[in-house]
Amino acid sequence: NAGVTQTPKFRVLKTGQSMTLLCAQDMNHEYMYWYRQDPGMGLRLIHYSVGEGTTAKGEVPDGYNVSRLKKQNFLLGLESAAPSQTSVYFCASSPSDDYGYTFGSGTRLTVV
Amino acid sequence: RKEVEQDPGPFNVPEGATVAFNCTYSNSASQSFFWYRQDCRKEPKLLMSVYSSGNEDGRFTAQLNRASQYISLLIRDSKLSDSATYLCVVENDYKLSFGAGTTVTVRA
Repeated sequence: NAGVTQTPKFRVLKTGQSMTLLCAQDMNHEYMYWYRQDPGMGLRLIHYSVGEGTTAKGEVPDGYNVSRLKKQNFLLGLESAAPSQTSVYFCASSPSDDYGYTFGSGTRLTVV
Repeated sequence: RKEVEQDPGPFNVPEGATVAFNCTYSNSASQSFFWYRQDCRKEPKLLMSVYSSGNEDGRFTAQLNRASQYISLLIRDSKLSDSATYLCVVENDYKLSFGAGTTVTVRA
């Protein structure tokens, strides 16, 4: 039972490079989310999806794009990485909007 | 104003002690409430949901006060393994908002 799997686990990017973070869940959950976590701050919502083919902006969407072409996958893209995007990124999924989330183990991204 | 605010601590307690801490939330229309636990550099994990009537899960007791818009967590008979950061979480419109966390360290 894999739950929520994030790839990669670590990445170092140069400013201006692009990359895609993959989140995959095998629990048939409808809702999926991308958060970032910075020291001393709570997790902040970047984008989320309430079903296949849908996406919506969260609290801090600028500089990121997402896609949910398949129910089990939620991709987070950085088009032109900036040092301010150095963070730990967590993906989460949930079967409904009043149920706790299951998180992936995180992606530690450093932009230099 | 942050949507969810927590005392960052740290709370440094001996084994066997009771420790309690609160968080406040700003949106009176918030619908669901949770406590998550996060160990150093790991993903958050659901500790317990918080219900209006209050609820217990073993040594953990959660309370919700909608009138004052705060949530509390009490840990009885603290264990070394309870050392972690506890995240207060509030749900609105499909989305969870997280507090920055309260750090608890249990010492032998």
